[in-house]
Amino acid sequence: DVKVTQSSRYLVKRTGEKVFLECVQDMDHENMFWYRQDPGLGLRLIYFSYDVKMKEKGDIPEGYSVSREKKERFSLILESASTNQTSMYLCASSLGLTSGEGRGETQYFGPGTRLLVL
Amino acid sequence: DQQVKQNSPSLSVQEGRISILNCDYTNSMFDYFLWYKKYPAEGPTFLISISSIKDKNEDGRFTVFLNKSAKHLSLHIVPSQPGDSAVYFCAASAGRGSTLGRLYFGRGTQLTVWP
Repeated sequence: DVKVTQSSRYLVKRTGEKVFLECVQDMDHENMFWYRQDPGLGLRLIYFSYDVKMKEKGDIPEGYSVSREKKERFSLILESASTNQTSMYLCASSLGLTSGEGRGETQYFGPGTRLLVL
Repeated sequence: DQQVKQNSPSLSVQEGRISILNCDYTNSMFDYFLWYKKYPAEGPTFLISISSIKDKNEDGRFTVFLNKSAKHLSLHIVPSQPGDSAVYFCAASAGRGSTLGRLYFGRGTQLTVWP
């Protein structure tokens, strides 16, 4: 079974703090993703990475940055947390399109981190 | 601009009956479609998928139907059970196109199955 873990289930931070959210997958997946989920807005893609040290902006990258130094680890960074970044943050990974065996787009999600910025 | 739309934010069904969740898409490059289920305070879990070369895929109580001409897919759950109560997300992929394997998600439909 694919296992995606996130460093914290719940996090409370102050406005202006730098926040790190860590995600680790154990299935040697090429692709990793960060989403946020807000009521009525569904899953919105923040950033994704298809290789080590590679990153692509998603639909709402403003206020966020990412880091992928190792294949299994993908970090989301809030440089200066703001109250409008209070949300559920979800990390996911997928095999990738170069897998050569069937479709590699199926994403597997971690349990999520509920972040509250005060 | 939403490329994948779930126009019903909620659906309520009696236990034992059929649940039908609908999804529409606009991008004709999409060729692979997935459904995810999400309970509160948990990450989404993959449920079922379908490739555009098929019009139906079945897995136990779950069946996904794809109508490419209408750019529409639906998820049927038969029979519905209270444990199926969750938010269901529809997602689509354009494969080896410029999307690099990302999925495009709808906003979700909250399914409630009552006894």
